[in-house]
Amino acid sequence: AQSVSQHNHHVILSEAASLELGCNYSYGGTVNLFWYVQYPGQHLQLLLKYFSGDPLVKGIKGFEAEFIKSKFSFNLRKPSVQWSDTAEYFCAVNARYSSASKIIFGSGTRLSIRP
Amino acid sequence: DVKVTQSSRYLVKRTGEKVFLECVQDMDHENMFWYRQDPGLGLRLIYFSYDVKMKEKGDIPEGYSVSREKKERFSLILESASTNQTSMYLCASSPRTLTDTQYFGPGTRLTVL
Repeated sequence: AQSVSQHNHHVILSEAASLELGCNYSYGGTVNLFWYVQYPGQHLQLLLKYFSGDPLVKGIKGFEAEFIKSKFSFNLRKPSVQWSDTAEYFCAVNARYSSASKIIFGSGTRLSIRP
Repeated sequence: DVKVTQSSRYLVKRTGEKVFLECVQDMDHENMFWYRQDPGLGLRLIYFSYDVKMKEKGDIPEGYSVSREKKERFSLILESASTNQTSMYLCASSPRTLTDTQYFGPGTRLTVL
């Protein structure tokens, strides 16, 4: 069965620090990968997604993620975080072409940025 | 912009009550989803629908049912609410392909006393 693991439950950083949030999935076939973000009091929204092509994906607000197939990983990165990046981040995976295709979400990582 | 709206932001119900959560999307999306979001557990899929009058169970369908009579509207029903159904409920929609991006509503925080 598909699953998604986000090992960091809560990350605390100072402004301007670099960020990397881990995401690993388990599925042997072709996958679509997503990062969603939920800012305090706001809707869950798409940050970036990978379907095919260049494994380095750039998203909104300076975020990027790299799909490493051999490691079943899709880690989220940002070189210099801002206080406004305080939010909860969810990794998600969808198995392409499966008969019961649906998106599986990780448990989320809460990011707190100290001003 | 895609807009997904949910009928209530906050709802308080008593154990045993029948509860209806409504979701409406305005982008003519075929797929609609209901999740519950709990701390430390992320989003868990309750039910989804890929067409009018069609529904599929997600990972945690027990205690819930759904209704999709019109394309734009997807309702989640708690037949007899219980305290362990206290949670944040999120609705989402996406275009035809199930691999497409999902667009989420603001959520309904349900408390069952």
